[in-house]
Amino acid sequence: AQTVTQSQPEMSVQEAETVTLSCTYDTSESDYYLFWYKQPPSRQMILVIRQEAYKQQNATENRFSVNFQKAAKSFSLKISDSQLGDAAMYFCAYRSAESNTGKLIFGQGTTLQVKP
Amino acid sequence: DAGVTQSPTHLIKTRGQQVTLRCSPKSGHDTVSWYQQALGQGPQFIFQYYEEEERQRGNFPDRFSGHQFPNYSSELNVNALLLGDSALYLCASSFPLSPSTDTQYFGPGTRLTVL
Repeated sequence: AQTVTQSQPEMSVQEAETVTLSCTYDTSESDYYLFWYKQPPSRQMILVIRQEAYKQQNATENRFSVNFQKAAKSFSLKISDSQLGDAAMYFCAYRSAESNTGKLIFGQGTTLQVKP
Repeated sequence: DAGVTQSPTHLIKTRGQQVTLRCSPKSGHDTVSWYQQALGQGPQFIFQYYEEEERQRGNFPDRFSGHQFPNYSSELNVNALLLGDSALYLCASSFPLSPSTDTQYFGPGTRLTVL
């Protein structure tokens, strides 16, 4: 069974600075997808970024980028130029590409605080 | 473009009661997944519905059941409520043209409190 682990329950960053959130996962599959979701206090889960395991190039979305290390089974999220609106709980998630159901397996989450 | 909607927003029930939660998928989506999120935890997959059938189920007891209607909306039913069922219930919709494109979009959730 696949598992996702986020070892940082809480992180804080100063506004305009850079922060990295860690995520490791365990799987025996070779083809899968990884995601970072953001959940603000309003509760709506929002997709931040997505990575296909077969792509060596790290995904980027504006101020958000990932460091995908397939051999190490590591998938960290870097937020550059942090903004107050980035404060939220961040979840790392795994989805098998070998199943057609799209079941997401989530980590425990990291709460990010952004200080003005 | 309407996103995923869920109702009700909050719900309070007592142990042993039954509850029904509702979800309308994002326009154009035909697949609905349900997740349970305990306070301070990551969401846990309950099940997924596609073409009005349960396609996959997570590790949840039979007290949890669901339904999908022809218009793709979905219901989650929980019978014989336990205190441990208190959680945020999230609905996510997707349109799986292919595994590389079917991103799941989440609704705001229903907060269920069991007393």
